[in-house]
Amino acid sequence: QQQVKQSPQSLIVQKGGIPIINCAYENTAFDYFPWYQQFPGKGPALLIAIRPDVSEKKEGRFTISFNKSAKQFSLHIMDSQPGDSATYFCAARKDQGAQKLVFGQGTRLTINP
Amino acid sequence: DTGVSQDPRHKITKRGQNVTFRCDPISEHNRLYWYRQTLGQGPEFLTYFQNEAQLEKSRLLSDRFSAERPKGSFSTLEIQRTEQGDSAMYLCASTPLGETQYFGPGTRLLVL
Repeated sequence: QQQVKQSPQSLIVQKGGIPIINCAYENTAFDYFPWYQQFPGKGPALLIAIRPDVSEKKEGRFTISFNKSAKQFSLHIMDSQPGDSATYFCAARKDQGAQKLVFGQGTRLTINP
Repeated sequence: DTGVSQDPRHKITKRGQNVTFRCDPISEHNRLYWYRQTLGQGPEFLTYFQNEAQLEKSRLLSDRFSAERPKGSFSTLEIQRTEQGDSAMYLCASTPLGETQYFGPGTRLLVL
């Protein structure tokens, strides 16, 4: 059962554009929603995270928008740069128990110069 | 470097052989997780430890897989009688309780 669905699978944007990656979740018990960035051959690195009591969170050029009623959240990258080219994963977890992360399928983002 | 480290970074083995991977978490992180990532997919949870206790195992973790975390420090993941389907990136993450999980660089396994 895919608990976190991510789209699109791949995305190409010109430098300076605003790529948007979307995720939808099923389990309303999830309490914490992080986004990870992964470069080839590296482990995922945390970018930004949000909790469901907040509708938007911004850190630098990265913004998460959260819609609790629709069970959806998205990542926006402002003023995108070629160095942002990577694979992005949304994830979700509960605060209780194992706190294991459930990941989306990933979005391969390419920022063209 | 005070991040999560994993060894080896790459491993090529023949089907049927046993392999063991090591993860050294960030110092004083009491939780340690193992995930598996196949090409083009997000990481999937395998198992986790709180200190030295293994508290949960995924159904993905067949009987051929075993993990340990002696003394609550480093952890090892062993795969016995490897199969081609075991080829994947094996990721380790650590965290203080309730906080962000910090991932290591992973061990990429190729079973021929």
